[in-house]
Amino acid sequence: AQSVTQPDIHITVSEGASLELRCNYSYGATPYLFWYVQSPGQGLQLLLKYFSGDTLVQGIKGFEAEFKRSQSSFNLRKPSVHWSDAAEYFCAVEENAGKSTFGDGTTLTVKP
Amino acid sequence: KAGVTQTPRYLIKTRGQQVTLSCSPISGHRSVSWYQQTPGQGLQFLFEYFSETQRNKGNFPGRFSGRQFSNSRSEMNVSTLELGDSALYLCASSLVTEDFYGYTFGSGTRLTVV
Repeated sequence: AQSVTQPDIHITVSEGASLELRCNYSYGATPYLFWYVQSPGQGLQLLLKYFSGDTLVQGIKGFEAEFKRSQSSFNLRKPSVHWSDAAEYFCAVEENAGKSTFGDGTTLTVKP
Repeated sequence: KAGVTQTPRYLIKTRGQQVTLSCSPISGHRSVSWYQQTPGQGLQFLFEYFSETQRNKGNFPGRFSGRQFSNSRSEMNVSTLELGDSALYLCASSLVTEDFYGYTFGSGTRLTVV
């Protein structure tokens, strides 16, 4: 079965600092990979996705992620964090039609 | 373009009752997936419907069921509610074509079982 691991439960960064959230997956074939963000009490918003091709993908809100097959990783990055980025972030892999497996999430706190 | 609409937003039910949650996908989206989100178990897949057919089902007991109508709107039903069913229930819709664009989630229905 597929699995997604987000090693960091909670990360705190200062506003303006760079950010990297880690994600490792276990999947037999070329995966469909996603990053979502969730604000308290809200649904998930898709930040970016990787299907194939260029391993560096750009998303919304200035986020990017790099797919590294050799490391089974899909880490999310942002060069300069804003206070509004404070939220919970989920990495997910598409298993098959309509079904995604999610990591446990990483909560991001932004210090002023 | 309207997003994914879930109703109601909040619900309080008593143990043993049943509940029905509704999800209206983005216009044109024919795939609807349901997830349960709890602090202890995270996001867990319930089931997915496409063109009124259930294509995938997660590891939940038979008390959890769903259906999809011809207009792609979907409902999920939970019978004989248990305290552990308290959760945020999220639905997500997607446009199923050769180019897959990912899922759009609704804001969820917060179910509290007392």
